[in-house]
Amino acid sequence: DSGVTQTPKHLITATGQRVTLRCSPRSGDLSVYWYQQSLDQGLQFLIQYYNGEERAKGNILERFSAQQFPDLHSELNLSSLELGDSALYFCASSAPEGNTIYFGEGSWLTVV
Amino acid sequence: AQKITQTQPGMFVQEKEAVTLDCTYDTSDQSYGLFWYKQPSSGEMIFLIYQGSYDEQNATEGRYSLNFQKARKSANLVISASQLGDSAMYFCAMPPLLYSTLTFGKGTMLLVSP
Repeated sequence: DSGVTQTPKHLITATGQRVTLRCSPRSGDLSVYWYQQSLDQGLQFLIQYYNGEERAKGNILERFSAQQFPDLHSELNLSSLELGDSALYFCASSAPEGNTIYFGEGSWLTVV
Repeated sequence: AQKITQTQPGMFVQEKEAVTLDCTYDTSDQSYGLFWYKQPSSGEMIFLIYQGSYDEQNATEGRYSLNFQKARKSANLVISASQLGDSAMYFCAMPPLLYSTLTFGKGTMLLVSP
């Protein structure tokens, strides 16, 4: 158990819908990262938050947004879903020094 | 920009044998580190081992060790005494520095046979 909690573990939704993925980082970790893993794109960095503020942005689509709340949990919002958004979405967290990065078990999203 | 290269798409090894998974990297940073993660078929991403560029000795975690050669820019993962449960995808990655992103290699699929 990495200590990073992601919900839901599995989600099936229809095209055009909106979903929210939730992440609770490890206790004491200030940074939260979101990654998307699909068969054709591999592991893609989406976005990073540090103590509530956006720190780095990767290949995140405009239809996607994220935020980190004062209690440090984070949410990734995916809207106007397309078939190609079907993927495994990971949240990860790290301590301030950044040399230990633990991943949650991922949220499997299937868009039908 | 950082770049990670894993040249072995797949590796086969027999149970109880040792196996080395290759990883080369490219970075302009003076201080950096390397992670290895394991992803079994269940999908979770499991942290295995980390080594910083200024660590003097190669990192070891149980049956996992890092063969870190800075001059060759390689950070190979060595798994000793392979077990059936080691069958998984293995990713090499560089950790984020200020405002940079965690860079992953494409991964190596390891299959351990009885």
